[in-house]
Amino acid sequence: DAKTTQPNSMESNEEEPVHLPCNHSTISGTDYIHWYRQLPSQGPEYVIHGLTSNVNNRMASLAIAEDRKSSTLILHRATLRDAAVYYCILRGPTSGTYKYIFGTGTRLKVLA
Amino acid sequence: DAGVIQSPRHEVTEMGQEVTLRCKPISGHDYLFWYRQTMMRGLELLIYFNNNVPIDDSGMPEDRFSAKMPNASFSTLKIQPSEPRDSAVYFCASSLEGARAEEQYFGPGTRLTVT
Repeated sequence: DAKTTQPNSMESNEEEPVHLPCNHSTISGTDYIHWYRQLPSQGPEYVIHGLTSNVNNRMASLAIAEDRKSSTLILHRATLRDAAVYYCILRGPTSGTYKYIFGTGTRLKVLA
Repeated sequence: DAGVIQSPRHEVTEMGQEVTLRCKPISGHDYLFWYRQTMMRGLELLIYFNNNVPIDDSGMPEDRFSAKMPNASFSTLKIQPSEPRDSAVYFCASSLEGARAEEQYFGPGTRLTVT
């Protein structure tokens, strides 16, 4: 399974944009890029996913590099409620499997 | 929508005892996943089901662990006998099929402590 690399932690000021990077240099052409986050004492929560094109939803934007070896999750205006561990995950459609492999993630701290 | 429901939320048991964790997925979802989270190993997929059929159980750590899904609205994860190293938070998640399968919905978790 392809692996992702994320910084262990990041800080952001409230109401400012946050760019969370993820490297996945061994990604295959059919791997989807997923982002989940885990707030304290809760289960993980889906944020966004994409394959090749940049994606936007109500929570965030996902910017995918042209060579797909890296991606960036963008929170447009961080709030205190966005403080969480953010996981970047690759999922390949091998044999129809939906098996996620979670890494260590990036712990985002939002400063008031 | 009630979301994924797990019970109990906390379980404390003694080594050697049988433990059963329960999960009710979101109604209409086709996939059900069991994960375990520890400080040392992070979040690991144990097993997942599609339409009540186990698809991949390669993450189940040992024969002491077993999971069943007797119907579309209920699944159990059983540990027998339990050991202190099984202490962790166990999450259940569910998702739809097809394109919507990319979004897994997680329950609140069961915190298991084995003494």
